[in-house]
Amino acid sequence: EADIYQTPRYLVIGTGKKITLECSQTMGHDKMYWYQQDPGMELHLIHYSYGVNSTEKGDLSSESTVSRIRTEHFPLTLESARPSHTSQYLCASSKTGSNSPLHFGNGTRLTVT
Amino acid sequence: GESVGLHLPTLSVQEGDNSIINCAYSNSASDYFIWYKQESGKGPQFIIDIRSNMDKRQGQRVTVLLNKTVKHLSLQIAATQPGDSAVYFCAERSMAAGNKLTFGGGTRVLVKP
Repeated sequence: EADIYQTPRYLVIGTGKKITLECSQTMGHDKMYWYQQDPGMELHLIHYSYGVNSTEKGDLSSESTVSRIRTEHFPLTLESARPSHTSQYLCASSKTGSNSPLHFGNGTRLTVT
Repeated sequence: GESVGLHLPTLSVQEGDNSIINCAYSNSASDYFIWYKQESGKGPQFIIDIRSNMDKRQGQRVTVLLNKTVKHLSLQIAATQPGDSAVYFCAERSMAAGNKLTFGGGTRVLVKP
């Protein structure tokens, strides 16, 4: 089982609040990713990082931001949550190398009221 | 919401039978493919991968077949068990697309006892 942890597992928050979703991995992986997934639907890449101080936007436009100050930590922040941000957010990591599978955390289910 | 997930393609299979899950991909430049299993409330779990220079790869109870001519990928599960009930996703990666993983829509597998 992959050692990648996301907190919180569930979060219900009001509109306009600032939130940070935490993601940590203990595998020493250089690459980390954030995906957004509506229930049962495909995953959409919103941010990724190839190493410390490297962050890139993914294919799906997102109002969130990320930081990568340490290899093991890749938090995602929403400055002002809106109901349209309600979704599941999945963090993943992988080794350097083009043919390395992603290891996923169990996600944070966010509901913005 | 959950009602969208219910519209997933669903494969119902009798326990003990073999399952075949299909995936069509669009990018002929994709050179690496992965199958993931996602159980309710969890993140996707890596099952098996295959590179584009292969057309078949076997794991424990699973076989992935790749047909590059028609851009088709399949996952075969032998002797399907109740624990195989989940949503299955295929994913493709292309160096030309920045080496990012692109996920297809999922297929729900329901194993009947």
